[in-house]
Order: sequence, then C-alpha cells, then structure tokens
Amino acid sequence: EAQVTQNPRYLITVTGKKLTVTCSQNMNHEYMSWYRQDPGLGLRQIYYSMNVEVTDKGDVPEGYKVSRKEKRNFPLILESPSPNQTSLYFCASSVIVPNTGELFFGEGSRLTVL
Amino acid sequence: ELKVEQNPLFLSMQEGKNYTIYCNYSTTSDRLYWYRQDPGKSLESLFVLLSNGAVKQEGRLMASLDTKARLSTLHITAAVHDLSATYFCAVRGGATNKLIFGTGTLLAVQP
Repeated sequence: EAQVTQNPRYLITVTGKKLTVTCSQNMNHEYMSWYRQDPGLGLRQIYYSMNVEVTDKGDVPEGYKVSRKEKRNFPLILESPSPNQTSLYFCASSVIVPNTGELFFGEGSRLTVL
Repeated sequence: ELKVEQNPLFLSMQEGKNYTIYCNYSTTSDRLYWYRQDPGKSLESLFVLLSNGAVKQEGRLMASLDTKARLSTLHITAAVHDLSATYFCAVRGGATNKLIFGTGTLLAVQP
C-alpha cells in the first residue's frame, strides 16, 4: 500500500530535549516536505526536499532541521524544542514530473512541548 | 508572493442544501488542489485541476478552475452529514514547487 508513515504520532516532551520525527514514503517520490498546522494559521511549510541531499527552507524553518540521506526518508529534527513548537506536524511527498504533483500526506504527529 | 484565500472560513448548512466554497489566488498557477481534512486527521486529496475550465466531480462534490479569474470553486450538492470536514484548496507556487494552502473552510452539515 502506498503511504507516508510518520512516527511518533503523539509525543509530549519538555523544553530543550532533542527529538526527531521520522517520515518515510514507499512511493519513490522525489519531493518531500514538512508542514505544521496550527489553529487559525493553516498549514505552513517548514522544510522541503527536491531529492536526496537537496533540502531548503520553507516559510517557518526556525528551530528545525532536516536531512535527506535516502530518497524514502525525511526526518524532522527539533534540536531544542520550545513550547511554541507545540503543533500538529505533517510530512508529505509527491513526484516531480516535471513539477510537483499531488501531495500525499502522512497521518500527522501531534507534538506538545512543556 | 503567492497568496491563497478561501471563503467562507466557516459554513454551517442543512442537509439537502447546495453551497459553494471559493478559492482565490493571487498569481498565475497551473495546478490547483482540493483536500479534505477530518478533525485531528490527515489531509485527503479530493481533486487535482490542471487547466483552465477543468471540472471534476466525485459524488456530491464538484470542483472547477478558472485560471483567468484565478478562481476555483468547490460546489456541494445536496449536502449530507458525512461531508462535514475542513476543506483546503492549494495552489502550486513558483520554482520551488511549493503548494500554498488556503486557510481552509470548516463545513458543518446539520441534520
């Protein structure tokens, strides 16, 4: 089954404790992206990647890091989480043929930073 | 900068009624997407509109695209409770291939 898998789905952590949210897709998609969703602010892009070893900032990259060492994986790293990073996070992927097509979303990861 | 606006932001409607959600965007784009999101859930792709005049229908939902007016509509026919959800439109923006999302329309269908 074609899917985007995120882990963990739910996480409560404390300020400053590094965490990683994993994202994996099995559709051989070149393009992957992270979004955060907050009430009243909609979906905002954090980082995206056009292919392996190619990443770039989205609209709200501060406080986040990503890597793309393999095509299928695109982890989101919070080096020192803060309460303002409490949010619902989505990973998404798509093909680039020749431009981004339909985005497929993971189930979401709800993060609470105390 | 590409901006995407949806209206209304909130729509309460009775079962059996028809209504339309509007999506306006600020600069030229050749692809428009509609997504559905149930509370606390992921986004599900509904429609991909690729050209001016494109119309797609699935069940009680019909989406259309007018690239000249930079407008897409999502029409709901004879609404049922199961259609209650938040609906997002998204437009592909520029060289980064980024999808810019509208703020969403929360649809509540009342019995």
